[in-house]
Amino acid sequence: EDKVVQSPLSLVVHEGDTVTLNCSYEVTNFRSLLWYKQEKKAPTFLFMLTSSGIEKKSGRLSSILDKKELFSILNITATQTGDSAVYLCAVKAPSGGSNYKLTFGKGTLLTVNP
Amino acid sequence: EAGVAQSPRYKIIEKRQSVAFWCNPISGHATLYWYQQILGQGPKLLIQFQNNGVVDDSQLPKDRFSAERLKGVDSTLKIQPAKLEDSAVYLCASSFNRGLDSPLHFGNGTRLTVT
Repeated sequence: EDKVVQSPLSLVVHEGDTVTLNCSYEVTNFRSLLWYKQEKKAPTFLFMLTSSGIEKKSGRLSSILDKKELFSILNITATQTGDSAVYLCAVKAPSGGSNYKLTFGKGTLLTVNP
Repeated sequence: EAGVAQSPRYKIIEKRQSVAFWCNPISGHATLYWYQQILGQGPKLLIQFQNNGVVDDSQLPKDRFSAERLKGVDSTLKIQPAKLEDSAVYLCASSFNRGLDSPLHFGNGTRLTVT
């Protein structure tokens, strides 16, 4: 069974700190890894990573994938209170035919205090 | 671009009652998903549609859950009868297609409380 493990499960930091969120996976026929940010409602898409060692960057957020060691990290620099959310990691793998399914981790709850 | 629309936002029912949720995906998105997210957990896939056909319902508790997408656009998910452990947020998501490079876009979800 596919497995996605995120750590830490929760994290409290002060504004301006840098945080690193971790995601490790055991998936048959891995295809891609996705990061989502979930505030009180819909998860919103952040990044999709398919190739090892290539960093994806969007403003203060960046992410990288290591397919050999089966993990990804999400970095947030100069954190702001608006970064407070649950960050979900999901792995995409074939589910039969030409279909793909996403398996999610439990998420990391990030709280940024002023 | 309008996002994925879901209703209702909240629902409280007693166990053994039935409930239905509605989802309208992003226009042009062929693939539609229903996820269940229990508090403190990541979303778990219940069912995936490609147009109006089911492509994966392996984790749908079919004795009580049903879903349809009759015209290949909007979809309903029904629970009958509900159990206490069905309390969760039900998220609908859509993607342009079911392929590798098509990220999912989620709706705001329906929070169900079963008492």
